[in-house]
Amino acid sequence: AQKITQTQPGMFVQEKEAVTLDCTYDTSDPSYGLFWYKQPSSGEMIFLIYQGSYDQQNATEGRYSLNFQKARKSANLVISASQLGDSAMYFCAMREGITGGGNKLTFGTGTQLKVEL
Amino acid sequence: ETGVTQSPTHLIKTRGQQVTLRCSSQSGHNTVSWYQQALGQGPQFIFQYYREEENGRGNFPPRFSGLQFPNYSSELNVNALELDDSALYLCASSLSTEPNSPLHFGNGTRLTVT
Repeated sequence: AQKITQTQPGMFVQEKEAVTLDCTYDTSDPSYGLFWYKQPSSGEMIFLIYQGSYDQQNATEGRYSLNFQKARKSANLVISASQLGDSAMYFCAMREGITGGGNKLTFGTGTQLKVEL
Repeated sequence: ETGVTQSPTHLIKTRGQQVTLRCSSQSGHNTVSWYQQALGQGPQFIFQYYREEENGRGNFPPRFSGLQFPNYSSELNVNALELDDSALYLCASSLSTEPNSPLHFGNGTRLTVT
């Protein structure tokens, strides 16, 4: 089974509107962390937001928020007030066994977001 | 600006050759990892180094090897290049003492094997 599933290969949103990018995950580890990264066409991976499996509240970072539904194993990214500069590929990723640290992230296949005027 | 720099930015090699990619981690980050991102896919974990020792590896053959140096720099070496090795190679660093901290990625090296 896929550990990270992003079912939306491409999304369009009007400037200034909100958009939700879907992510579901699969793990049997009780300790895990979920990340969202943005990758513009230049290739760099830009960290957006993090949610820990034991966090009680949904993470927020400026215009980004994470809709974490643990029982459904989903961690959707919500971008409010979309801007043209938000056009990029977005990846959901998971780190399992976070108590031991480590740099192994499992990534989804990504969602290409295009913001239109 | 993540503080992680990679060189070169682009590279073209011929099948069968060897290549070395370089990464300079963010100062103080003692854990570095390398990822391979094929076109249209998410990054795949190759391996990670902690205090100059490999301590985790993904599903990549031994011809992918690495080194980490005391000055936070690291290398990814790939021997006997194959056409399927064409990809964007990303280096990432973090503080191992902060397990919830995000990985900071460099801009990547785009390798083309012909």
